[in-house]
Amino acid sequence: EIVLTQSPGTLSLSPGERATLSCRASQSVSSYLAWYQQKPGQAPRLLIYDASNRATGIPARFSGSGSGTDFTLTISSLEPEDFAVYYCQQRTSWWTFGQGTKVEIK
Amino acid sequence: EVQLVESGGGFVQPGGSLRLSCAASGFTFSTYGMTWVRQAPGRGLEWVSVISGNGLSTYYADSVKGRFTISRDSSKNTLYLQMNSLRAEDTAVYYCAKEFGGGVFDYMDVWGKGTTVTVSS
Repeated sequence: EIVLTQSPGTLSLSPGERATLSCRASQSVSSYLAWYQQKPGQAPRLLIYDASNRATGIPARFSGSGSGTDFTLTISSLEPEDFAVYYCQQRTSWWTFGQGTKVEIK
Repeated sequence: EVQLVESGGGFVQPGGSLRLSCAASGFTFSTYGMTWVRQAPGRGLEWVSVISGNGLSTYYADSVKGRFTISRDSSKNTLYLQMNSLRAEDTAVYYCAKEFGGGVFDYMDVWGKGTTVTVSS
């Protein structure tokens, strides 16, 4: 099973600041990695697929990068609605999700 | 509008059964793989099962294999999850989700709001 490890567990930032979230895979997943956003009481929302492609309707402030085992989700300037939990997911070998990174208001 | 609406959750005793349903609309249901993902209280996401668009291929997480059965009825645009021999650790919100592409083990681009399953004596 491919294990995805996200860091940090919690990121405390202010609106307008840049957020950088990391996802590391236990073995290469090529570029088959997605990022999802989940707000309290809501379903996850697909943000990024294939490591760097924004899903339909996702603002340009969200960007993804990486390949192999190391991936990054960057939010260039946090908006109030961006404070949420973010999960990475790989689809190279079945599916696994990371444990999540919570982006909270500082 | 593409929409998924889950139903069938509830409270059940250990060893009991439940059948979840997910009504799909706004897209050609039989074209896409469909999946169930669950989230235990305060925990992360765990995929449960996936079925191909034609219903011929199904896959299960080890944690539910042999107890859960995924199926779909394209005439009703509905996805199902039959859950038997339920355990306390199956307690979670269960989401159905549409796969991004036509195969299985793709990304999930549309999600329902979820239905809650509680297994307790």
